[in-house]
Order: sequence, then structure tokens, then C-alpha cells
Amino acid sequence: DGGITQSPKYLFRKEGQNVTLSCEQNLNHDAMYWYRQDPGQGLRLIYYSQIVNDFQKGDIAEGYSVSREKKESFPLTVTSAQKNPTAFYLCASSIYEMTEAFFGQGTRLTVV
Amino acid sequence: AQKVTQAQTEISVVEKEDVTLDCVYETRDTTYYLFWYKQPPSGELVFLIRRNSFDEQNEISGRYSWNFQKSTSSFNFTITASQVVDSAVYFCALNTGNQFYFGTGTSLTVIP
Repeated sequence: DGGITQSPKYLFRKEGQNVTLSCEQNLNHDAMYWYRQDPGQGLRLIYYSQIVNDFQKGDIAEGYSVSREKKESFPLTVTSAQKNPTAFYLCASSIYEMTEAFFGQGTRLTVV
Repeated sequence: AQKVTQAQTEISVVEKEDVTLDCVYETRDTTYYLFWYKQPPSGELVFLIRRNSFDEQNEISGRYSWNFQKSTSSFNFTITASQVVDSAVYFCALNTGNQFYFGTGTSLTVIP
């Protein structure tokens, strides 16, 4: 089945550690996105990529990094510089800009 | 600047009642797209509809209908004869080029 797969579903991290969230899509979409969701704040854009080997910062990129080495994959690294990383992270993809985005099931990250 | 406002934070209705979710957007671009997404408790955002800025025709899909009015910058969503399965958080979003701008969402609870 075509879709977007995020893993893991739940992730626990100790303070000071980097952690990488996986996002894979088999929809042959060019654009991919990472969003952070906090209660009552909707979705905020972290990074997006419209083509392989290229990506742009979103509104809250500080403390995060990404790579886009393959069209299908857009992993997000939450670094120790991110002051408040506990949140729900959603990955999405779209055929190209302005088309509807399809979302993965999300990763819930908790810093302990 | 782009902005989406969903003023209704939470709504509760009794099953079979009709309910309208409001969405107001701000943009200076003349070409843009508007979207509605549903987020059930599982967390994944489900795409419902996309509407471009040049098409003000209302749309109906089963119990769902959408009213797009450029004059008031609104893109409202009505559920007719609500059901318990409609309980979710609903997000309105705007895309003017390369990223989505989401509202803060409206949490809908349908009481049996």
C-alpha cells in the first residue's frame, strides 16, 4: 500500500541526547515536510524539502536538522540544542507545492 | 503574512445535529489553496478537501459541505447529521506556495 511511514510511534530520550525520527514515503512525492504539534498550538513547520538534496527551514527549525538524500526518505534529528523537544511530530508529503499533503501516523517524543 | 484562524477551540453537539466549523484566513497572494484535515484520536491527519482561490463554488460530499467566500476570507465546514465517528480535531490550512499554514484546530465532540 502507498503511504507515509513514521517510526517509531513512541520515543523516549534522555536530556542531552540526539535522536532521529524516521519518515519514509512510497508515493513518489517530491515535497516532504516535518511538523511539530503541541497541545492547543496546531501544527508548526520545522523543515520542508521540495527536491532531493535540498531543504528549507520552517518557523521553528532551531535545534533540529534534516537530510534528503533520497526522494523517499526525510529523517528528522532532534538535537540536544532543542530546549523543549517533548511533542508530537508529524511527517507529510505532497506531489508538489500547493497540492494536498498526506501525513504519517506521527511520532510522540518524550524527554525523560 | 499568512494566517489561519479557527476561533472555535472546542465544540460539543448531540448526535444528528448539524455543526459548522469556522475558518478565516489572511493572505495577500491572489493564488492560494485552502484545505481541511481531520485528526482522529490516533493522531494521523486525514485530508478532506482542497479548494483553490479561483473556485468559489461550494462543495458537498455526503454529510460534509464546504462554503468558500473570498469576500469574507472564510472557508467554513459543515457536518450534517453528525455522528459519533465525526469526533476529532479539525484543522483548516492555507498554502500559498511552498508550505502549509495551519489553524490551531477545532476539537469536535459528538455526544451519543
